[in-house]
Amino acid sequence: DTEVTQTPKHLVMGMTNKKSLKCEQHMGHRAMYWYKQKAKKPPELMFVYSYEKLSINESVPSRFSPECPNSSLLNLHLHALQPEDSALYLCASSQGLVFSGANVLTFGAGSRLTVL
Amino acid sequence: DQQVKQNSPSLSVQEGRISILNCDYTNSMFDYFLWYKKYPAEGPTFLISISSIKDKNEDGRFTVFLNKSAKHLSLHIVPSQPGDSAVYFCAASNQAGTALIFGKGTTLSVSS
Repeated sequence: DTEVTQTPKHLVMGMTNKKSLKCEQHMGHRAMYWYKQKAKKPPELMFVYSYEKLSINESVPSRFSPECPNSSLLNLHLHALQPEDSALYLCASSQGLVFSGANVLTFGAGSRLTVL
Repeated sequence: DQQVKQNSPSLSVQEGRISILNCDYTNSMFDYFLWYKKYPAEGPTFLISISSIKDKNEDGRFTVFLNKSAKHLSLHIVPSQPGDSAVYFCAASNQAGTALIFGKGTTLSVSS
């Protein structure tokens, strides 16, 4: 299995809702990532988990709350979002944190979030 | 300020010809560079990479060139095929090697 699976593919939520994005990989990767991508912009790093511990938080607002229940799963809990948070949220994983020829990011297809 | 720049938003090439996608970076401490390809409704997929100790890496129709003194890399696709039509992202590894920094992407269109 060489895939990163993200659910749901599309999510529409109001500003008072609480929802979650889910990500799963079965490649034995020990690092998992959340990226946010807006139209015509590059993917921007939000969070990095290494061995199920949060290692990087790129000053993301607290209305985004990541969770790594085990080495295969990564969640992003959403609460009180703003319309400007509408974007494609990409999950990725890698064997380890340091990038080299043998260690690259594998991305999921993304969850398209719309906040009304 | 963007650390990884892809200054051409789009490129159109005829099938069979060479596609050259360019990328510039500002941080001389970047030591690993990657190209990703993205089709609509899919996540980016890894294409090819190069370490800063090399100036060229080749994989089939894809070759990446690195010019460290100019802080410039390029992706050559020869020959280009209609299935290569996608958005191509250049990415660089930061000093700690713990995250990738992406450019804005170049949309390649290959016509038959």
